Amino acid sequence: AQKITQTQPGMFVQEKEAVTLDCTYDTSDPSYGLFWYKQPSSGEMIFLIYQGSYDQQNATEGRYSLNFQKARKSANLVISASQLGDSAMYFCAMREGIGGYQKVTFGIGTKLQVIP
Amino acid sequence: DADVTQTPRNRITKTGKRIMLECSQTKGHDRMYWYRQDPGLGLRLIYYSFDVKDINKGEISDGYSVSRQAQAKFSLSLESAIPNQTALYFCATSDPRGQETQYFGPGTRLLVL
Repeated sequence: AQKITQTQPGMFVQEKEAVTLDCTYDTSDPSYGLFWYKQPSSGEMIFLIYQGSYDQQNATEGRYSLNFQKARKSANLVISASQLGDSAMYFCAMREGIGGYQKVTFGIGTKLQVIP
Repeated sequence: DADVTQTPRNRITKTGKRIMLECSQTKGHDRMYWYRQDPGLGLRLIYYSFDVKDINKGEISDGYSVSRQAQAKFSLSLESAIPNQTALYFCATSDPRGQETQYFGPGTRLLVL
């Protein structure tokens, strides 16, 4: 089974609207972390937001929030008030394992295009 | 200045050549990583290092080698480049004392002809 699944290859959103990018994960470890990264066309990978498996509250960072539904094993990224600069690839990732090297697995990404 | 830097940013080489990609960081992190990114495959781990004396293979280490010259420097070598090593290569660092978020360099675009 895929560790990280991003089922939306591409998404469009109108400027100033909110958009949700889907991510589901698969792990049997009780302790894990979930990350979202943004990759604009220039290529760099930019860390956006983190959610720990034991965190009770959904993570938020400015216009980004992570809708964490542990029982459903989903960690969707919500971007509010989309801006043209949000157009990019978005990657969901999971860190799992206890002690030593904790493997990080990345999804294949979702391409978001913000329409003026 | 960027916390994680990579040189070169772009490189074109020929099949059979040995090349080195370099990574430096000022974040003070002990852990460093090399990934490659191919369209539709996400990021795949090549090598990782927990400190200067600790080097470990990732999921796709064949055809690559690394050197951890100092806490701040981690280089990736392609011993004999082949066309299917054409990819975007990223160096990353992390701090095990927190969330262990990986922070990435700007990437190196490598084309092997």
